Amino acid sequence: DTAVSQTPKYLVTQMGNDKSIKCEQNLGHDTMYWYKQDSKKFLKIMFSYNNKELIINETVPNRFSPKSPDKAHLNLHINSLELGDSAVYFCASSQESSGGHTIYFGEGSWLTVV
Amino acid sequence: DQQVKQNSPSLSVQEGRISILNCDYTNSMFDYFLWYKKYPAEGPTFLISISSIKDKNEDGRFTVFLNKSAKHLSLHIVPSQPGDSAVYFCAARDGLNYGGSQGNLIFGKGTKLSVKP
Repeated sequence: DTAVSQTPKYLVTQMGNDKSIKCEQNLGHDTMYWYKQDSKKFLKIMFSYNNKELIINETVPNRFSPKSPDKAHLNLHINSLELGDSAVYFCASSQESSGGHTIYFGEGSWLTVV
Repeated sequence: DQQVKQNSPSLSVQEGRISILNCDYTNSMFDYFLWYKKYPAEGPTFLISISSIKDKNEDGRFTVFLNKSAKHLSLHIVPSQPGDSAVYFCAARDGLNYGGSQGNLIFGKGTKLSVKP
């Protein structure tokens, strides 16, 4: 069973469109994240979210919004897609309440904006 | 401004020899350091970590060394195997809980390790 799963794995879409990437974790973790790996291969956090708090990296445009229907899901919505949004997006989760520091990643979603 | 730096984009090692991957950091508030391994088309997978209060952590063939005074850590893989060929990311956690979440990690750019048979 995949611990952190995200769909779709590949997405090609046109500029200006709105798209979503879904993420689910079956680890029972209380915190989920979205990371972005850009063309320069930097892996940077975009959001972290638990049941109580959404923390947003201030560099993330407000066209990006996470939505969490429940503890096991954190979906990423992107409005008005731009060419520069092309990247690999990784969902991740961790168990914050145990004081853990290890986060578990999904396989990534390759977004190409044309 | 990179807080975590992996200055070697690639490393090639012969099977059976030692692989040493290096990482430097600038933020003295980091309290945990982690190494992640990534195969193509897959997400990073956790490999090994070390607390800032320790200087060495060993797990099988993998050992991480931390030199706080030099703000430097390294990952040693002995003996190296062809299956170890992957991109290795060094990551650090801000002990001040960036934004309140302990799981926010700051990653280096990665080092691509190639282990040749």
